[in-house]
This record gives sequence, C-alpha cells and structure tokens, in this order.
Amino acid sequence: GNSVTQMEGPVTLSEEAFLTINCTYTATGYPSLFWYVQYPGEGLQLLLKATKADDKGSNKGFEATYRKETTSFHLEKGSVQVSDSAVYFCALSDTGGTSYGKLTFGQGTILTVHP
Amino acid sequence: DVKVTQSSRYLVKRTGEKVFLECVQDMDHENMFWYRQDPGLGLRLIYFSYDVKMKEKGDIPEGYSVSREKKERFSLILESASTNQTSMYLCASSFPIRSPLHFGNGTRLTVT
Repeated sequence: GNSVTQMEGPVTLSEEAFLTINCTYTATGYPSLFWYVQYPGEGLQLLLKATKADDKGSNKGFEATYRKETTSFHLEKGSVQVSDSAVYFCALSDTGGTSYGKLTFGQGTILTVHP
Repeated sequence: DVKVTQSSRYLVKRTGEKVFLECVQDMDHENMFWYRQDPGLGLRLIYFSYDVKMKEKGDIPEGYSVSREKKERFSLILESASTNQTSMYLCASSFPIRSPLHFGNGTRLTVT
C-alpha cells in the first residue's frame, strides 16, 4: 500500500535559519504530492503541491521538488519566521481508478521558530 | 473560498454514548472525507464518500459509521463511544482526482 515517511520532529530553529523537512514516499503509479500546514487551533491548509516528476511546488517562500528517482518531496525554506511555527504534513494522493483522490499522510513534523 | 464547517470544536462524551460529528461544505464537492489525527500517527482515514449515499471504508473504520444524505453534509457516527476514540477529528472535501483537500478546523472529542 501507499505510505509517507517524514523526518522525526520536533524541529526548533532560530528566525532566518534554513529549513528542511524530509519526506519520502512509497506508492504505485504516479501519485500527486502535497505539503499541508496546520497552525495552532486550526485545520490543515494546503501549502504547495506537485503532480508529476520534477515539478517544483512553491508558496510563501516554501519549495519542494517531486523527485521520482529518490521517491522524495523534501520541504525547504531559506529563511524561516516565527509565524512559520506550525505542524507540517507531507501527503500523497492515490490516483488509482477507485481512489477518489484520497490522501495518505505522514506523521507530521512540529516546527517551532524562536525570535 | 471553500468553507468546510464542523459543527463542534470540542465535545466531551461518556463511554457507550452514541456520538454524531457533523460536517458541511459549501462548494458542491463530490468527495468528502473523515480523518482522525493523533500525535505521532499523522492523519488516518476513517471513511470517505464520493457521492450522495455512497461511502467507502478507509484505513481505520472499526467503531465508526457515516451518513451522507445530502451532497453538502457528511456525518461521522460513533455507535458506542470508547476511550480509545478520544482524538481530533478532521473533515475534508474535494473534487475528484489530483485536487487538494479542503479541511475543516476539527472537532476535539474526549471520551471519558
């Protein structure tokens, strides 16, 4: 079956530091890949996505590249802010015939950014 | 903007009670999903629905059922709540295939 593995957290950084959160996946076929963010007390919001190999998703200074050869979709940001403190989830969308686009999620990575 | 509304932010129920969690979306999405979120486990799919009156089991359906009588509403039912069902429950909706999910803010359920 499909699975997503994220790096263990929590991750604690100082403001303006470089961020990487690793994500690898196992899937049959050609899944779409997503990063979601969950701010305290809220539901999940889509941060970025990529639908085919070598696509780069980007939003709010975050980037991730769909690497089929390494089955990875690592999240990066060059300079984090305190407001980026949240839980980040990597996910894949099964595009099989009866999947209806349901997502498989990683376990989430808690990011805390200090001033 | 898509809005997915879950009827309660916090619920406290007793063991053995029947519990209803309600979710409504306003964008005419065909697909709706119920996930539960637990620390260290991420989100796990309980049930999903791809049309009115249609439902499919997810990865952890035991102890739950669902109802979708109208396109915009998807209900999760705990037939007899147990303490191991204490969790955050998230509802989501989407159009089919390759489209992102839109989530509600979640219902934190405590079963005592």
